[in-house]
Amino acid sequence: KQEVTQIPAALSVPEGENLVLNCSFTDSAIYNLQWFRQDPGKGLTSLLLIQSSQREQTSGRLNASLDKSSGRSTLYIAASQPGDSATYLCAVDYGGSQGNLIFGKGTKLSVKP
Amino acid sequence: KAGVTQTPRYLIKTRGQQVTLSCSPISGHRSVSWYQQTPGQGLQFLFEYFSETQRNKGNFPGRFSGRQFSNSRSEMNVSTLELGDSALYLCASSLVAGGRGEQFFGPGTRLTVL
Repeated sequence: KQEVTQIPAALSVPEGENLVLNCSFTDSAIYNLQWFRQDPGKGLTSLLLIQSSQREQTSGRLNASLDKSSGRSTLYIAASQPGDSATYLCAVDYGGSQGNLIFGKGTKLSVKP
Repeated sequence: KAGVTQTPRYLIKTRGQQVTLSCSPISGHRSVSWYQQTPGQGLQFLFEYFSETQRNKGNFPGRFSGRQFSNSRSEMNVSTLELGDSALYLCASSLVAGGRGEQFFGPGTRLTVL
C-alpha cells in the first residue's frame, strides 16, 4: 500500500530556530512530491514542488530535499518565526493510473515568540 | 491572477439531505480534484476531472459524485447525507491531469451534518 508518513505529529520551537520536518513514503517510484502549509480552518497553500528528477527546491527560508532511494523528504525552515506556525503537509504523486496525491497526516508546528 | 474559489464556504445540513459544492479553478487550469479532510482520516482523494471527464475516483461510496463544465468549473454532490460526511471539502486545480503538476487548493467548504 502506498503511504506517506510525517513525524513528528507536532513540534514546538522558540522563535529563531532552524528546524526540519520529515516525510517518508513507501514506494520510491514517485512522480513528484509537494509540501503544503495549512492554517487552522483554511485551505492548503503550496510551498514547494519537487519533481522526481530533482534533489531539492528552495523558496526563501524554505528548502525541501528529496531522496527517493531512502523514501524520504525533508522540509528545512530557517530562522523560524511565529508566522510560520501552521500544519505542514507532505503529498506524493505515485504516478500510475491513480494520478492523485497521497497525503501524510501533517506536522503541526508552533513557533513561540 | 485569481486563485481557486469554492462556494459556499460553510454549510449546515441534516441527515438524509443532499448538498452541492462548487469549485472554480485558476484560469487556464483544466484539472480539478476534490479531497475530503477529517481529523481522523486526514486528506482523502475523492475524484479528479479533466476536460469534463472523470479521470480517477477514490474509495468513496456512490453517494459522492461530481461533474465538470466546459469552463472547467466543477461541482460535487453528496446525496443522502450521513453524520460521517461532516468534513472540510477541498478542491485543487492544476494545469495538467493527475498529480503531475503543481496543485493549487481552494479555501474549502466546511460541511456540518446534524
